[in-house]
Amino acid sequence: NAGVTQTPKFQVLKTGQSMTLQCAQDMNHEYMSWYRQDPGMGLRLIHYSVGAGITDQGEVPNGYNVSRSTTEDFPLRLLSAAPSQTSVYFCASSYSPGPPDTQYFGPGTRLTVL
Amino acid sequence: QKEVEQDPGPLSVPEGAIVSLNCTYSNSAFQYFMWYRQYSRKGPELLMYTYSSGNKEDGRFTAQVDKSSKYISLFIRDSQPSDSATYLCAMSDIYNFNKFYFGSGTKLNVKP
Repeated sequence: NAGVTQTPKFQVLKTGQSMTLQCAQDMNHEYMSWYRQDPGMGLRLIHYSVGAGITDQGEVPNGYNVSRSTTEDFPLRLLSAAPSQTSVYFCASSYSPGPPDTQYFGPGTRLTVL
Repeated sequence: QKEVEQDPGPLSVPEGAIVSLNCTYSNSAFQYFMWYRQYSRKGPELLMYTYSSGNKEDGRFTAQVDKSSKYISLFIRDSQPSDSATYLCAMSDIYNFNKFYFGSGTKLNVKP
């Protein structure tokens, strides 16, 4: 199993550009989520999904869109990038959306918005 | 006020020391408590998970939860240089257990 994969590893955007961060898992996990990690702020939940076709907002959803058309993929879209979205983005998945099953994190995408 | 507070450190200890890492929280509905370890430029990995109050031990690691004080701890016995990492606490409540709230992480350095 490849586990949780994220692409790209690094990305530089200009203000106003859009892009999609890709996340895929091959463990047949129902629950997937996106976090951003900023210095001194820890991990903050952006959006999560408890299964294909079902998504919900986390703590900091503004400026981001998600969709879940398959169990394997959970892309995160930045509609109009802003410097405040400069961060490291982590995707995570677990088998059950219920009381914390082990969440597996991807390696992260480092995004810089100029 | 942040939901979860954690001292960022860094915390530097000699090899073999007992390490104590702590988090405080404000939401009394939190019932699920987790500790993650994150090596530099890697994603976090789950170390331990406890439900409600009490202690849980796993090898050299012990997690404690004191709900009356809204305080959780992770103890590492016989610390090793390989334990050098950032440790993050995380929590969720019984109403929205899909939503995890993380502390900012404590950076630990274990010196040989």
